[in-house]
Amino acid sequence: DGGITQSPKYLFRKEGQNVTLSCEQNLNHDAMYWYRQDPGQGLRLIYYSQIVNDFQKGDIAEGYSVSREKKESFPLTVTSAQKNPTAFYLCASSILGQGRNEQFFGPGTRLTVL
Amino acid sequence: GDSVTQMEGPVTLSEEAFLTINCTYTATGYPSLFWYVQYPGEGLQLLLKATKADDKGSNKGFEATYRKETTSFHLEKGSVQVSDSAVYFCASPGQRDSSYKLIFGSGTRLLVRP
Repeated sequence: DGGITQSPKYLFRKEGQNVTLSCEQNLNHDAMYWYRQDPGQGLRLIYYSQIVNDFQKGDIAEGYSVSREKKESFPLTVTSAQKNPTAFYLCASSILGQGRNEQFFGPGTRLTVL
Repeated sequence: GDSVTQMEGPVTLSEEAFLTINCTYTATGYPSLFWYVQYPGEGLQLLLKATKADDKGSNKGFEATYRKETTSFHLEKGSVQVSDSAVYFCASPGQRDSSYKLIFGSGTRLLVRP
């Protein structure tokens, strides 16, 4: 089955630690995205990538970093510089091209800072 | 900037009631429009989409018509079920150089009572 996987489903972090969230897709999509969702709120774009070895900041990139070494993988690191990292993180992917913006989402990772 | 506006929730209905969730967008041109659904603790799933003006997207009894003259894409269902309880997001692509990104509304929580 094609799709997007995220791991782990739940993640706990102590203050001051960096953590990395995994996102893998086997849909052969060029574009991948990371969103943050806070309780009762919509999605905010953290980073996105349209091609391997290239990525751009979204609306709330401060305190986060990403890499895109392989087409299938787009890991997100939440650094200790992120002031309020407790949230639900969603990864998505899509085909590139005008009007072909449908994004497919993974199941999400819930990060809690202790 | 680009925006998608949807009615605030929560929307509470009795089973078999009629549902409307309003959505308006600001992107110019002829963007594709989407409705996503998020069940508790899960990622977003595409519910339906429309790719051009006057198109009607439909799935699982839900419908939405792309109204270019009113820049709207309201979600409707004739008879809701308890299992429809979820958060619904309207989405539209950004404009010009941002057309590969999706702009999401803030989400509308639907609660259906037996």
